[in-house]
Amino acid sequence: EAQVTQNPRYLITVTGKKLTVTCSQNMNHEYMSWYRQDPGLGLRQIYYSMNVEATDKGDVPEGYKVSRKEKRNFPLILESPSPNQTSLYFCASSPTADRATDTQYFGPGTRLTVL
Amino acid sequence: GQQVMQIPQYQHVQEGEDFTTYCNSSTTLSNIQWYKQRPGGHPVFLIQLVKSGEVKKQKRLTFQFGEAKKNSSLHITATQTTDVGTYFCAGRPGNQFYFGTGTSLTVIP
Repeated sequence: EAQVTQNPRYLITVTGKKLTVTCSQNMNHEYMSWYRQDPGLGLRQIYYSMNVEATDKGDVPEGYKVSRKEKRNFPLILESPSPNQTSLYFCASSPTADRATDTQYFGPGTRLTVL
Repeated sequence: GQQVMQIPQYQHVQEGEDFTTYCNSSTTLSNIQWYKQRPGGHPVFLIQLVKSGEVKKQKRLTFQFGEAKKNSSLHITATQTTDVGTYFCAGRPGNQFYFGTGTSLTVIP
Protein backbone atom coordinates (compact mmCIF):
# COMPACT_ATOMS: atom_id res chain seq x y z
CA GLU A 1 0.00 0.00 0.00
CA ALA A 2 1.35 3.43 -0.95
CA GLN A 3 1.80 5.42 2.20
CA VAL A 4 3.77 7.78 4.40
CA THR A 5 4.55 6.38 7.83
CA GLN A 6 5.66 8.22 10.95
CA ASN A 7 6.93 6.93 14.26
CA PRO A 8 6.18 7.34 17.03
CA ARG A 9 2.56 8.45 16.77
CA TYR A 10 2.56 9.83 20.31
CA LEU A 11 5.48 10.96 22.43
CA ILE A 12 5.77 12.62 25.81
CA THR A 13 9.26 13.73 26.72
CA VAL A 14 11.11 16.19 28.92
CA THR A 15 12.95 19.37 28.09
CA GLY A 16 16.41 18.81 26.67
CA LYS A 17 16.13 15.11 25.89
CA LYS A 18 17.08 14.56 22.26
CA LEU A 19 14.50 12.81 20.12
CA THR A 20 13.97 11.70 16.55
CA VAL A 21 10.69 11.31 14.70
CA THR A 22 11.04 9.03 11.72
CA CYS A 23 9.27 9.44 8.40
CA SER A 24 9.29 6.98 5.55
CA GLN A 25 7.50 6.82 2.19
CA ASN A 26 7.28 3.88 -0.19
CA MET A 27 6.21 5.81 -3.29
CA ASN A 28 9.68 6.83 -4.59
CA HIS A 29 8.76 10.48 -4.05
CA GLU A 30 11.41 13.15 -4.52
CA TYR A 31 9.99 15.94 -2.34
CA MET A 32 9.56 15.43 1.39
CA SER A 33 8.58 17.87 4.07
CA TRP A 34 7.90 18.33 7.77
CA TYR A 35 5.10 20.48 9.18
CA ARG A 36 3.90 21.41 12.61
CA GLN A 37 0.25 22.11 13.26
CA ASP A 38 -0.84 24.40 16.09
CA PRO A 39 -4.36 25.68 16.85
CA GLY A 40 -5.13 28.86 14.96
CA LEU A 41 -1.86 28.75 13.03
CA GLY A 42 -2.58 26.06 10.47
CA LEU A 43 0.30 24.01 9.09
CA ARG A 44 3.74 25.57 9.05
CA GLN A 45 6.58 24.05 7.10
CA ILE A 46 9.66 23.27 9.19
CA TYR A 47 12.05 21.81 6.62
CA TYR A 48 11.75 20.38 3.16
CA SER A 49 13.88 18.29 0.85
CA MET A 50 13.84 18.46 -2.92
CA ASN A 51 15.79 15.21 -3.21
CA VAL A 52 18.49 13.12 -1.53
CA GLU A 53 21.11 15.27 0.22
CA ALA A 54 19.12 18.44 -0.55
CA THR A 55 17.38 20.01 2.44
CA ASP A 56 16.17 23.56 3.02
CA LYS A 57 14.64 25.57 5.82
CA GLY A 58 10.93 26.24 5.84
CA ASP A 59 9.10 28.86 7.84
CA VAL A 60 9.90 27.61 11.35
CA PRO A 61 13.21 25.68 11.33
CA GLU A 62 14.60 26.87 14.69
CA GLY A 63 15.23 23.99 17.08
CA TYR A 64 14.92 21.29 14.42
CA LYS A 65 17.29 19.33 12.20
CA VAL A 66 16.63 16.98 9.31
CA SER A 67 18.61 14.71 7.05
CA ARG A 68 17.90 13.02 3.72
CA LYS A 69 20.47 10.30 3.19
CA GLU A 70 18.05 8.03 1.32
CA LYS A 71 15.11 8.88 -0.88
CA ARG A 72 12.53 7.13 1.28
CA ASN A 73 13.47 8.48 4.74
CA PHE A 74 13.34 11.98 6.17
CA PRO A 75 13.80 12.00 9.96
CA LEU A 76 13.08 15.06 12.10
CA ILE A 77 15.53 15.61 14.95
CA LEU A 78 14.98 17.74 18.02
CA GLU A 79 18.40 18.06 19.65
CA SER A 80 17.14 19.82 22.80
CA PRO A 81 13.34 19.91 22.86
CA SER A 82 11.57 22.73 24.65
CA PRO A 83 7.91 23.08 25.71
CA ASN A 84 7.18 25.44 22.80
CA GLN A 85 7.84 22.51 20.47
CA THR A 86 4.79 20.72 21.84
CA SER A 87 2.71 20.27 18.72
CA LEU A 88 1.23 17.90 16.14
CA TYR A 89 3.82 17.04 13.49
CA PHE A 90 3.14 15.83 9.98
CA CYS A 91 5.51 14.43 7.42
CA ALA A 92 4.50 14.72 3.76
CA SER A 93 5.85 13.67 0.39
CA SER A 94 5.26 14.66 -3.23
CA PRO A 95 6.07 12.73 -6.42
CA THR A 96 8.43 15.36 -7.79
CA ALA A 97 9.74 18.78 -6.95
CA ASP A 98 7.97 20.05 -10.08
CA ARG A 99 5.25 22.52 -9.15
CA ALA A 100 2.86 21.05 -11.69
CA THR A 101 2.77 17.68 -9.97
CA ASP A 102 3.34 18.46 -6.33
CA THR A 103 0.35 16.82 -4.65
CA GLN A 104 1.35 16.17 -1.07
CA TYR A 105 0.62 12.91 0.72
CA PHE A 106 0.61 13.23 4.48
CA GLY A 107 1.58 10.79 7.17
CA PRO A 108 -0.76 10.08 10.11
CA GLY A 109 0.91 12.63 12.40
CA THR A 110 2.99 12.55 15.59
CA ARG A 111 1.65 14.24 18.69
CA LEU A 112 4.59 15.48 20.74
CA THR A 113 4.40 16.84 24.26
CA VAL A 114 7.50 18.37 25.84
CA LEU A 115 7.27 18.83 29.60
CA GLY B 1 7.29 37.51 4.46
CA GLN B 2 4.90 35.26 2.61
CA GLN B 3 1.47 34.93 4.17
CA VAL B 4 -1.59 32.93 3.26
CA MET B 5 -4.69 34.05 5.09
CA GLN B 6 -7.92 32.10 5.20
CA ILE B 7 -11.38 33.17 6.32
CA PRO B 8 -13.51 32.40 8.16
CA GLN B 9 -11.68 30.48 10.87
CA TYR B 10 -14.87 28.66 11.88
CA GLN B 11 -18.20 28.09 10.16
CA HIS B 12 -21.28 26.36 11.50
CA VAL B 13 -24.01 25.54 8.97
CA GLN B 14 -27.24 23.63 8.95
CA GLU B 15 -27.13 20.53 6.81
CA GLY B 16 -28.20 21.51 3.31
CA GLU B 17 -26.84 25.05 3.50
CA ASP B 18 -23.95 26.22 1.36
CA PHE B 19 -20.44 26.95 2.64
CA THR B 20 -17.57 29.03 1.29
CA THR B 21 -14.01 29.53 2.49
CA TYR B 22 -11.65 32.14 1.08
CA CYS B 23 -7.89 32.12 0.77
CA ASN B 24 -5.68 35.16 0.13
CA SER B 25 -1.95 35.27 -0.49
CA SER B 26 0.35 38.24 -0.06
CA THR B 27 2.24 37.21 -3.19
CA THR B 28 1.49 35.61 -6.53
CA LEU B 29 1.32 31.83 -6.41
CA SER B 30 2.40 29.30 -9.03
CA ASN B 31 -0.52 27.11 -8.00
CA ILE B 32 -3.03 26.66 -5.19
CA GLN B 33 -3.98 23.40 -3.55
CA TRP B 34 -6.86 22.52 -1.26
CA TYR B 35 -6.78 19.91 1.49
CA LYS B 36 -9.36 18.51 3.88
CA GLN B 37 -8.53 17.31 7.37
CA ARG B 38 -11.13 15.30 9.24
CA PRO B 39 -11.14 15.60 13.05
CA GLY B 40 -8.24 13.54 14.39
CA GLY B 41 -6.93 12.85 10.89
CA HIS B 42 -4.30 14.10 8.53
CA PRO B 43 -4.67 16.52 5.60
CA VAL B 44 -5.88 14.87 2.41
CA PHE B 45 -5.36 16.45 -1.00
CA LEU B 46 -8.54 17.57 -2.75
CA ILE B 47 -7.48 19.50 -5.83
CA GLN B 48 -4.85 21.72 -7.45
CA LEU B 49 -5.48 24.83 -9.54
CA VAL B 50 -2.75 26.19 -11.78
CA LYS B 51 -4.17 28.64 -14.29
CA SER B 52 -5.32 32.18 -13.67
CA GLY B 53 -9.12 32.28 -13.36
CA GLU B 54 -9.37 28.49 -13.27
CA VAL B 55 -12.57 26.89 -11.95
CA LYS B 56 -12.84 23.19 -11.11
CA LYS B 57 -15.70 21.15 -9.76
CA GLN B 58 -15.82 17.95 -7.78
CA LYS B 59 -19.46 16.96 -7.28
CA ARG B 60 -20.77 19.55 -4.77
CA LEU B 61 -17.39 21.29 -4.39
CA THR B 62 -16.37 24.22 -6.61
CA PHE B 63 -12.84 25.61 -6.52
CA GLN B 64 -11.72 28.92 -8.02
CA PHE B 65 -8.31 30.50 -8.58
CA GLY B 66 -8.26 34.26 -8.89
CA GLU B 67 -7.20 36.13 -12.00
CA ALA B 68 -4.15 37.55 -10.24
CA LYS B 69 -3.26 34.11 -8.80
CA LYS B 70 -3.30 35.57 -5.29
CA ASN B 71 -6.66 34.32 -4.05
CA SER B 72 -8.84 31.26 -4.17
CA SER B 73 -12.14 29.97 -2.86
CA LEU B 74 -13.82 26.67 -2.09
CA HIS B 75 -17.60 26.51 -2.22
CA ILE B 76 -19.64 23.54 -1.05
CA THR B 77 -23.25 23.33 -2.19
CA ALA B 78 -25.84 21.71 0.07
CA THR B 79 -23.50 20.60 2.84
CA GLN B 80 -23.73 17.12 4.30
CA THR B 81 -22.48 15.78 7.62
CA THR B 82 -19.66 14.05 5.73
CA ASP B 83 -18.28 17.50 4.84
CA VAL B 84 -17.27 18.13 8.46
CA GLY B 85 -13.59 18.94 8.88
CA THR B 86 -11.02 21.66 8.39
CA TYR B 87 -10.29 22.90 4.90
CA PHE B 88 -6.85 24.28 4.10
CA CYS B 89 -5.53 26.07 1.08
CA ALA B 90 -1.82 25.82 0.29
CA GLY B 91 0.25 27.93 -2.05
CA ARG B 92 3.71 27.51 -3.40
CA PRO B 93 5.37 30.69 -4.68
CA GLY B 94 8.77 28.95 -4.74
CA ASN B 95 9.97 25.62 -3.39
CA GLN B 96 8.30 26.15 -0.04
CA PHE B 97 4.65 25.45 0.78
CA TYR B 98 2.54 27.98 2.67
CA PHE B 99 -0.70 26.79 4.19
CA GLY B 100 -3.64 28.93 5.13
CA THR B 101 -4.82 28.89 8.72
CA GLY B 102 -7.76 26.69 7.79
CA THR B 103 -11.54 26.92 8.06
CA SER B 104 -13.20 24.50 10.45
CA LEU B 105 -16.62 23.44 9.16
CA THR B 106 -19.31 22.09 11.46
CA VAL B 107 -22.48 20.75 9.89
CA ILE B 108 -25.53 20.62 12.12
CA PRO B 109 -27.91 17.78 11.16
